Amino acid sequence: GAVVSQHPSWVICKSGTSVKIECRSLDFQATTMFWYRQFPKQSLMLMATSNEGSKATYEQGVEKDKFLINHASLTLSTLTVTSAHPEDSSFYICSASPPGAGYTFGSGTRLTVV
Amino acid sequence: AQSVAQPEDQVNVAEGNPLTVKCTYSVSGNPYLFWYVQYPNRGLQFLLKYITGDNLVKGSYGFEAEFNKSQTSFHLKKPSALVSDSALYFCAVRVGYNQGGKLIFGQGTELSVKP
Repeated sequence: GAVVSQHPSWVICKSGTSVKIECRSLDFQATTMFWYRQFPKQSLMLMATSNEGSKATYEQGVEKDKFLINHASLTLSTLTVTSAHPEDSSFYICSASPPGAGYTFGSGTRLTVV
Repeated sequence: AQSVAQPEDQVNVAEGNPLTVKCTYSVSGNPYLFWYVQYPNRGLQFLLKYITGDNLVKGSYGFEAEFNKSQTSFHLKKPSALVSDSALYFCAVRVGYNQGGKLIFGQGTELSVKP
């Protein structure tokens, strides 16, 4: 079945540094990918829609300069958390929708900023 | 605005008993509805979806859901709960079309199944 691979599964970084999270569609092409943020035992909040070859579409209230999204190929989207601070610590999940199927989710990335 | 709601933060069930996790939706047009399950520190696993057709949808791991248009509901059910069903469950609705459509999630319901 369609698989979305997300890497890394967890990362710890120092405050002020940047962290990149990768999301790959392994056996299908994804012109669109989605990035979510989740706080403990809470719902998934859509941050942005990543569009291959064009700018991402951000949800209201999401800082574009803080969360940089790049979708340079049909199988890879990246989320870079720039100048990370402790309040950016969260669980980040990517998703894509294979043709004819539902939505497939990556395994998530636990980001801890210290 | 299109949305989905899960009115219960937590559902407690004894093993072997039937379980129901509730979901209601508010959308314009025909809804595309989904149920996902999440285990701790993991991504979401697909359970089932309703696009069109029969109102009773059967999914993975013995789960099913009933689409009720008049009540705008899409409750998740299982005839006999297992301890391993304990997890966080999310109902979602698709907004937009095809691969570009995005999923909007309910608040989530934590299911606890006790032996």
